[in-house]
Amino acid sequence: GAVVSQHPSWVICKSGTSVKIECRSLDFQATTMFWYRQFPKQSLMLMATSNEGSKATYEQGVEKDKFLINHASLTLSTLTVTSAHPEDSSFYICSARSEEQFFGPGTRLTVL
Amino acid sequence: GENVEQHPSTLSVQEGDSAVIKCTYSDSASNYFPWYKQELGKRPQLIIDIRSNVGEKKDQRIAVTLNKTAKHFSLHITETQPEDSAVYFCAASGPGGGNKLTFGTGTQLKVEL
Repeated sequence: GAVVSQHPSWVICKSGTSVKIECRSLDFQATTMFWYRQFPKQSLMLMATSNEGSKATYEQGVEKDKFLINHASLTLSTLTVTSAHPEDSSFYICSARSEEQFFGPGTRLTVL
Repeated sequence: GENVEQHPSTLSVQEGDSAVIKCTYSDSASNYFPWYKQELGKRPQLIIDIRSNVGEKKDQRIAVTLNKTAKHFSLHITETQPEDSAVYFCAASGPGGGNKLTFGTGTQLKVEL
């Protein structure tokens, strides 16, 4: 199947700092990528749909000014968690869609 | 929007037994129903999927059934093995939701020796 990479795999940061997470589709072009957040022992919750060349579509309750998404090319989408706080600590997973959705390996964010 | 419910939340079976996980969805326009297996700290892995024009699909020990009228679909794992232990998620998507996936709440499957 198609390969989606994510970087970094884990990050620890201080409260108030910003963190950027990259999601790349390695062997196909993805006009649409998705960003999910998963808290321990919970399901994947869609945060936003990232569209190449246009603004992301955010799910209800997700602050677009806090979670900045940029989809500058057909193979790269980035999620920036701005002014991170401990409650933002979570597992962030991206996916890219070809015929089916392929998930990245996830990024474990810990905010101290 | 779409709402997907999944049961049970935990399931413990003996090795060799069958396991069944059930999901219901709310949006009659949904037409794609994948199942994912997720091990701790890893990405979800697609194990089987079914589209709305099919009632059943099987891949070795794994099968999925879909009842469009009742809006529910089920995952069946036969001859379970310890390596089947993981969290399983169902999901649904369709044109009404922009083809984005809505996930169920997950089932922790434990296969005991």
